[in-house]
Amino acid sequence: AQTVTQSQPEMSVQEAETVTLSCTYDTSESDYYLFWYKQPPSRQMILVIRQEAYKQQNATENRFSVNFQKAAKSFSLKISDSQLGDAAMYFCAYRRDLRAGSYQLTFGKGTKLSVIP
Amino acid sequence: DGGITQSPKYLFRKEGQNVTLSCEQNLNHDAMYWYRQDPGQGLRLIYYSQIVNDFQKGDIAEGYSVSREKKESFPLTVTSAQKNPTAFYLCASSIGFGGSAYEQYFGPGTRLTVT
Repeated sequence: AQTVTQSQPEMSVQEAETVTLSCTYDTSESDYYLFWYKQPPSRQMILVIRQEAYKQQNATENRFSVNFQKAAKSFSLKISDSQLGDAAMYFCAYRRDLRAGSYQLTFGKGTKLSVIP
Repeated sequence: DGGITQSPKYLFRKEGQNVTLSCEQNLNHDAMYWYRQDPGQGLRLIYYSQIVNDFQKGDIAEGYSVSREKKESFPLTVTSAQKNPTAFYLCASSIGFGGSAYEQYFGPGTRLTVT
């Protein structure tokens, strides 16, 4: 069974600085997808970034980028120029395909990020 | 605007009562999902549905039931058999077909408190 581990329950970063959130996963699959979701205090889950395992290039979305190490099964999220609005719970998720067409996301337990003004 | 609505935002029930959580989407997505979120646990899959009149158990289906009579609706019933029903419940949907890294879109959630 796939598992997703986020080893940092809480982290903090100074505004405008850079922070990296860690995520490791366990799978026997060779082709899969990974995601980072953000959950602010409103509790609305928002997709931050996605990575296809077959792509060697790390995904980037504006200030958010990932360091995807397939052999190490590591998928860290880097937030550059941190802003107060980045304060949230961040969940790493692994996509497992179910019956044709649908899929399940297996989530880590989350990292609570605080941004210090 | 397209999206997923869940109602109500907060729900209170007495122990022993069944309660149904609503989830509606106007994204024309085929697949829909229910997750449960507990503090420090991340999200866990309860049920999912790929098409109308079809649904499958997820990792923690015991004590829950669902129906999918319409493409846009996927209600979740928390039965009295669920031993620890107090939690935050999230509904999600996805296009469901084809390849690519289709994301799951989430609703705003329902906080259920059972006393």
